[in-house]
Amino acid sequence: ETGVTQTPRHLVMGMTNKKSLKCEQHLGHNAMYWYKQSAKKPLELMFVYNFKEQTENNSVPSRFSPECPNSSHLFLHLHTLQPEDSALYLCASSQDHFAGGPPDTQYFGPGTRLTVL
Amino acid sequence: GNSVTQMEGPVTLSEEAFLTINCTYTATGYPSLFWYVQYPGEGLQLLLKATKADDKGSNKGFEATYRKETTSFHLEKGSVQVSDSAVYFCALITLSGNTPLVFGKGTRLSVIA
Repeated sequence: ETGVTQTPRHLVMGMTNKKSLKCEQHLGHNAMYWYKQSAKKPLELMFVYNFKEQTENNSVPSRFSPECPNSSHLFLHLHTLQPEDSALYLCASSQDHFAGGPPDTQYFGPGTRLTVL
Repeated sequence: GNSVTQMEGPVTLSEEAFLTINCTYTATGYPSLFWYVQYPGEGLQLLLKATKADDKGSNKGFEATYRKETTSFHLEKGSVQVSDSAVYFCALITLSGNTPLVFGKGTRLSVIA
């Protein structure tokens, strides 16, 4: 089952384009995440939002700009990307991972396959 | 820092064979441990988890036991099917440290009929 949806599922863009990835979670969670999955590399955490506040920016280049207008929606705005940014971008959500209890499970969306030409 | 090491793939098995995918970890603090599965063209799905030592997570015939003494969380299945072909990721999460979830590199499993 997945309560996390992502659009679009596939995106091809040129290096001068501006596009946005969208993620929506229907699980009542309050933490959301962006990950990058490149071929032959481990999953890389990009950004974390907790209660709409960004709590992690894992040294991500400024050409990636996240936005979290509410606890259910997360965007990743893209501009002037490079071909090496081509990857699968995964969104995930969980309950607040600093709520004091055991860290909670993250649930993933299907991903957006991005190709930068 | 926290890290997860999984066995290198790909792993190729015949249908009904026994599967083991090794996973060991290092962590500051007391981690929760997870196995995620990624089927072709899809995102990650939670397969099973364990939150304390000696817990056994299980789902769809897969099992993994949290072994604190050996810092391991090996994934096992007694009889694999072609539909189990996927990439399997071991992961951990702790309350300490800056990275909420740390993944291994993934192990690709191919099951042939």
